Amino acid sequence: LAKTTQPISMDSYEGQEVNITCSHNNIATNDYITWYQQFPSQGPRFIIQGYKTKVTNEVASLFIPADRKSSTLSLPRVSLSDTAVYYCLVGERQAGTALIFGKGTTLSVSS
Amino acid sequence: SAVISQKPSRDICQRGTSLTIQCQVDSQVTMMFWYRQQPGQSLTLIATANQGSEATYESGFVIDKFPISRPNLTFSTLTVSNMSPEDSSIYLCSVEDPTGRAGNTIYFGEGSWLTVV
Repeated sequence: LAKTTQPISMDSYEGQEVNITCSHNNIATNDYITWYQQFPSQGPRFIIQGYKTKVTNEVASLFIPADRKSSTLSLPRVSLSDTAVYYCLVGERQAGTALIFGKGTTLSVSS
Repeated sequence: SAVISQKPSRDICQRGTSLTIQCQVDSQVTMMFWYRQQPGQSLTLIATANQGSEATYESGFVIDKFPISRPNLTFSTLTVSNMSPEDSSIYLCSVEDPTGRAGNTIYFGEGSWLTVV
């Protein structure tokens, strides 16, 4: 499984766009990039998944450059409720394969 | 997606005792995963549970300490045996996307927060 590196923490203010970058230099051809969000005292929640270029859903956008050695989770116009830990995971989309979590990025949004 | 219910959501346990955590899913799923999250830490995979077979444990976790049952495709239990304060953690049940369309997207329950005193 490819190892990921993300900033330990980030601070932002309400209404700003937040970009969290994850490095995964050893990503394999069959690996996908998945981001999870975890609020205190709750289980992680799936945010977005992608393989290359750009993926967008109602929550976030995921930008993946051509070499796929990094990815950036973009949260538009964050609010206080976006304060959470964000995990970047890399692995095959193969049934039966558990996800291995790294340390994640703690995002703190202030007013 | 899948709706996952865990019981208990929270408990305070005496050291030396055992507690069984239940995980119920609203859909039939092949694989269920149990994670532990110690205070302030990331998630650590304990074991993978496939219905009808013994669970597969990760390094550092053993069946005697964390026995797991998987009697059917919608239910699993994790027992934390002979608890010590070091077992104080959130224990999370998770399942793969039951539709099979989202690759290995995994969904989590709300967790069971155990405090051992």
